[in-house]
Amino acid sequence: GDSVTQMEGPVTLSEEAFLTINCTYTATGYPSLFWYVQYPGEGLQLLLKATKADDKGSNKGFEATYRKETTSFHLEKGSVQVSDSAVYFCALSTLNEKLTFGTGTRLTIIP
Amino acid sequence: NAGVTQTPKFQVLKTGQSMTLQCAQDMNHEYMSWYRQDPGMGLRLIHYSVGAGITDQGEVPNGYNVSRSTTEDFPLRLLSAAPSQTSVYFCASSYYSGGNQPQHFGDGTRLSIL
Repeated sequence: GDSVTQMEGPVTLSEEAFLTINCTYTATGYPSLFWYVQYPGEGLQLLLKATKADDKGSNKGFEATYRKETTSFHLEKGSVQVSDSAVYFCALSTLNEKLTFGTGTRLTIIP
Repeated sequence: NAGVTQTPKFQVLKTGQSMTLQCAQDMNHEYMSWYRQDPGMGLRLIHYSVGAGITDQGEVPNGYNVSRSTTEDFPLRLLSAAPSQTSVYFCASSYYSGGNQPQHFGDGTRLSIL
């Protein structure tokens, strides 16, 4: 079946550091890939998405590229801020709309 | 612009009690789903619906029941609560688009079973 493996947390970085959160997937067919973010006490919000190979999703300074050859969708940001502290989930969706999530990575940014 | 609304936000139940978690969306989305979130396990799909009158099981359906009588509402029923159902529950909705549209999530219901 489909699965998503994402970098274990928690991750703690200093403000303005470079961020990478790794995500790899296993799926039949050609899934769409998503990064969702969850701020404390809230539901999940879409951060970015990519729907086909070599697509790059971007939002709020975050980027991720859909790499079919390595089945990866790593999240990156060049300079993190305290307000980026949250839990980040990598997920995939296939034709039936069902989302398969990774376990989440808790990110804490210290000033 | 309400989006996906879940009620209640918090609930404490005793083992064996039943209850209904409410979910409503105002975006005319065909697809609705329920997930539970547990530490270290991400979100797991409980039940989903592709339209009024159509529901199906997800990854962890046991102990839960759903119905979809309208496009807007998708309640989740716990038939006889067990401590293993202590979790945070999220409802989500989206257009039925072949998997390339993001899902919109509610703020969650935090449920404790004593």
